[in-house]
Amino acid sequence: DTGVSQDPRHKITKRGQNVTFRCDPISEHNRLYWYRQTLGQGPEFLTYFQNEAQLEKSRLLSDRFSAERPKGSFSTLEIQRTEQGDSAMYLCASSPTSPGSSYNEQFFGPGTRLTVL
Amino acid sequence: GNSVTQMEGPVTLSEEAFLTINCTYTATGYPSLFWYVQYPGEGLQLLLKATKADDKGSNKGFEATYRKETTSFHLEKGSVQVSDSAVYFCALIGFSGGYNKLIFGAGTRLAVHP
Repeated sequence: DTGVSQDPRHKITKRGQNVTFRCDPISEHNRLYWYRQTLGQGPEFLTYFQNEAQLEKSRLLSDRFSAERPKGSFSTLEIQRTEQGDSAMYLCASSPTSPGSSYNEQFFGPGTRLTVL
Repeated sequence: GNSVTQMEGPVTLSEEAFLTINCTYTATGYPSLFWYVQYPGEGLQLLLKATKADDKGSNKGFEATYRKETTSFHLEKGSVQVSDSAVYFCALIGFSGGYNKLIFGAGTRLAVHP
């Protein structure tokens, strides 16, 4: 396992369409995070999973957004009825839960760049 | 609430120049502090971290010291290279309900010229 992977890397969609992104974390990591990064800004937290439980959601995550991690491994982020303001880079990160040198460190995937036309 | 403020870019330097990127934070408790780097077309990579006051994180010639008294975590490098051109993000782990989400600054773009 070489790191966090995300699919697709790029997505172009028309306003009003639904899109779904996938994240595969590092296999032994129980914690999984989604962030959104708009142009010229730092990433902003969206949601957090510990195993399959979604434990925190940002106010940025409107009702059109839903995230799942059904078996505690990969995660999906779905955006319904996309709007132009949803255009951003969506980043996934994972981290271990066991104390050690990497505790509290989040490992990021390459991101999915969404463009809503 | 928790927040991170870092100097605006872009920062433009000649190769071998000294680099400082300022970062200050506001947080309750004792956060862990991080510098992440984003090279063109790539994802975020952890550059260095510090988990308690007076800790110095270092990696690839970059250093940053956790200064609790000034709530700062400035990034420094003695001699930058063209390959250091990237966007640098200062971040902290904010504990909200016990969950360790990262809070990022807006990023500072560094351009190094030969």
